Order: sequence, then structure tokens, then C-alpha cells
Amino acid sequence: DAGITQSPRHKVTETGTPVTLRCHQTENHRYMYWYRQDPGHGLRLIHYSYGVKDTDKGEVSDGYSVSRSKTEDFLLTLESATSSQTSVYFCATALLNTEAFFGQGTRLTVV
Amino acid sequence: KNEVEQSPQNLTAQEGEFITINCSYSVGISALHWLQQHPGGGIVSLFMLSSGKKKHGRLIATINIQEKHSSLHITASHPRDSAVYICAVSWNYGQNFVFGPGTRLSVLP
Repeated sequence: DAGITQSPRHKVTETGTPVTLRCHQTENHRYMYWYRQDPGHGLRLIHYSYGVKDTDKGEVSDGYSVSRSKTEDFLLTLESATSSQTSVYFCATALLNTEAFFGQGTRLTVV
Repeated sequence: KNEVEQSPQNLTAQEGEFITINCSYSVGISALHWLQQHPGGGIVSLFMLSSGKKKHGRLIATINIQEKHSSLHITASHPRDSAVYICAVSWNYGQNFVFGPGTRLSVLP
């Protein structure tokens, strides 16, 4: 698993509350990604990072923000959670043009 | 925009059968990835291909760059192979992967 840890693994939160998901890697990979996985949509990119403090938006970035202050940590924040953000979130890391390594996923339920 | 398609969507096989899952994409790529996801589980990278063929145990992956097509073969399938198999593509500049919708495989004993 290339030393990728997501936390928490499961979370239930109320609509309107802020939520932060953490991805921690021990492989010193440059690229880190946050994806969400929903039935019928497959994996969709939320945000990605290509280095410390270097991040960019993916195709479904609305309502999400990210930060990467250290190589090993990539945080995903839902500023004000909505029911449409109920999903399974995966973090992934990669070196340039190599295989990707995925975390175990975080199941988030917004009630 | 690169579209990634997979076929079949769902596949049921008997234990021991030879299985093929196909992936096609619309734009030239640097590499193609095959991923495996067990029910309720994480995602594991099986192969990364930029040309030719790779083999790992009972799994074989091939890619035809000219035809923009890849296949994942499972020989002597086993119930533990039951999972969703996802094809993804990437480029040299490495910012992102584009994923196919996945193929759900069930291998019956």
C-alpha cells in the first residue's frame, strides 16, 4: 500500500458542519490526489497536489478545499458538508508516470 | 477529453474459467493502469503498462497503443478474484488519472 493512511476511515456528520479528511504517506511521492467514488460515476478527481503548497482543482472541486503543508500530508476539507458529499473518498499518491497507490478509503455520510 | 470505456460491465464466471476484461480509450496516453477493488475494500494497483504485455501470477495484461486498447486476462479464475476491475490512463505530465467505470467480476465456486 506504499504507506498511505487515510483518517478517519468512517465518519458521520451533520449537514452544514466542516469536515477534514487526512491522507498521510510515507513514500515521499510528489503527486497526491483526492477522489470520490459514487455508484454510477466511478472515481472522480476532486483536487490534486504536485508538491508542497502546490494544488489544483479537479472535475468535482466545488465545496471542497485542500492543503498540503508537508510532503507527507494532504488534507481535504468540506467547508460546510452537504448530503451530496456523502461518498467514499480515496487518496492516492504517485511519482511522475508510475503506478498509483491508493489509501483504504474514507466512508463519509452527511445526514 | 479522454474517455475510458470498459467491457463488459458485469461478468459472472465459473471457477477455473479464463476471463478477459477490455479497456479502450480515446486519446493517446503515457500509461494504462489496471486496478482491483474488492467489495467494501481499498483499491490495489495490479499493473501499469506503456507497451506490450505484463504477467503476474494468473493475471496477464496487454496493451495495443495503436488501437488504444488493453485487455486484462485472468487464467484459472478463483472466487477470490471476485472484485471490480478498473482501467485508468495517465500521461507524462502526471497530473491525473482518468478512470473507466469498472467491470464487476463474480467467480462462482
